Amino acid sequence: DAKTTQPPSMDCAEGRAANLPCNHSTISGNEYVYWYRQIHSQGPQYIIHGLKNNETNEMASLIITEDRKSSTLILPHATLRDTAVYYCIVRLIYNNNDMRFGAGTRLTVKP
Amino acid sequence: AAGVIQSPRHLIKEKRETATLKCYPIPRHDTVYWYQQGPGQDPQFLISFYEKMQSDKGSIPDRFSAQQFSDYHSELNMSSLELGDSALYFCASSLSVRMNTEAFFGQGTRLTVV
Repeated sequence: DAKTTQPPSMDCAEGRAANLPCNHSTISGNEYVYWYRQIHSQGPQYIIHGLKNNETNEMASLIITEDRKSSTLILPHATLRDTAVYYCIVRLIYNNNDMRFGAGTRLTVKP
Repeated sequence: AAGVIQSPRHLIKEKRETATLKCYPIPRHDTVYWYQQGPGQDPQFLISFYEKMQSDKGSIPDRFSAQQFSDYHSELNMSSLELGDSALYFCASSLSVRMNTEAFFGQGTRLTVV
């Protein structure tokens, strides 16, 4: 069974915030939420990860709900180069396994 | 900064031939992951290694085998190739001593079986 559920596609206007949701209703207390993206057949690229607190880095922000059953990746000012497939992954703490991709969200940023 | 190196970048093989894909992780990274991505599909996890031992196994066909060597590079060996094996193959590496760090991906090997 898939650990995460994401919408198959989303559009966003250039310069606007892109909010990508992920449902992980069966997440356990010892699992992190990771986000990666893949730009047209390139190797996937790490974006951000978090456990229960909201996180922000130079690329994006991650908002995790209090019950941890869902999260939202926010690209604050989307550019055309952010067009990619975005993957939400749930992984166990202290475990280098579980690096499995589900069905991601294809984000298209439009001018 | 050094990245994950995969070789070759492109490979064309005939059915029933064998192929070997190589992955050189980022220096000091001790964990390697392999993925297969068919046309229009999401990356599918094949297998991973930590400190030269298999650590996790996904949907890797029995015709495929892999190993991680003492210098931490890894090789994916594919035998009796089928047309359906045509795909992008990605390798990723991470450093296990820092728990929950990100994995870094190579640019992939595009395998075409004809």
